[in-house]
Amino acid sequence: EVQLVQSGAEVKKPGESLRISCKGSGYSFTSYWISWVRQMPGKGLEWMGRIDPSDSYTNYSPSFQGHVTISADKSISTAYLQWSSLKASDTAMYYCARSPPPYSSSWGLFDPWGQGTLVTVSS
Amino acid sequence: DIQMTQSPSSLSASVGDRVTITCQASQDISNYLNWYQQKPGKAPKLLIYDASNLETGVPSRFSGSGSGTDFTFTISSLQPEDIATYYCQQYDNLPPTFGQGTKLEIK
Repeated sequence: EVQLVQSGAEVKKPGESLRISCKGSGYSFTSYWISWVRQMPGKGLEWMGRIDPSDSYTNYSPSFQGHVTISADKSISTAYLQWSSLKASDTAMYYCARSPPPYSSSWGLFDPWGQGTLVTVSS
Repeated sequence: DIQMTQSPSSLSASVGDRVTITCQASQDISNYLNWYQQKPGKAPKLLIYDASNLETGVPSRFSGSGSGTDFTFTISSLQPEDIATYYCQQYDNLPPTFGQGTKLEIK
């Protein structure tokens, strides 16, 4: 079974750093890209960026470029989303999702999704 | 970025009803359009890809159509387990963008 399992919920203070993870199993981790998607409380879905786990090449949405860092460790089939200095406005659910590589005609097809990681930033 | 506009934002229907949601893109996206279902407290799930293709294992009461800028998602006979928020998503260009969602409730 193809599966993405994310790390657990986090409660942080403004200014703190954080890294959350997404571990893939049941498929060749380096054959698909991993995207991160934000869902703020009661709101819709926003694509943040993606990574090619085979070489850690990344694309970011302009809205998130410079605010987060996406990385991966192919040796343990895990992708990461990282903040160096959290803000209250980063409070949200964060999902990872698998997608075919950019040269595929279905590059934007997100399936499956991880279960989500809730990040709460509050003083 | 390509803007995706869904309508309605919310919808109340009875079990057995035919339900239709529309999604309009701000520019031509060919058929690079997917539909997702998100049940409360759960991650989104892919239902329809490339505008009209049913994902494996998804019930046949779900369907999609359209191309260019105008797309439609239909549930032919609403079931209680279909209560969810539905999102369209384009991937003609980076960044992929989602509609604002349609919250479906049982009347």
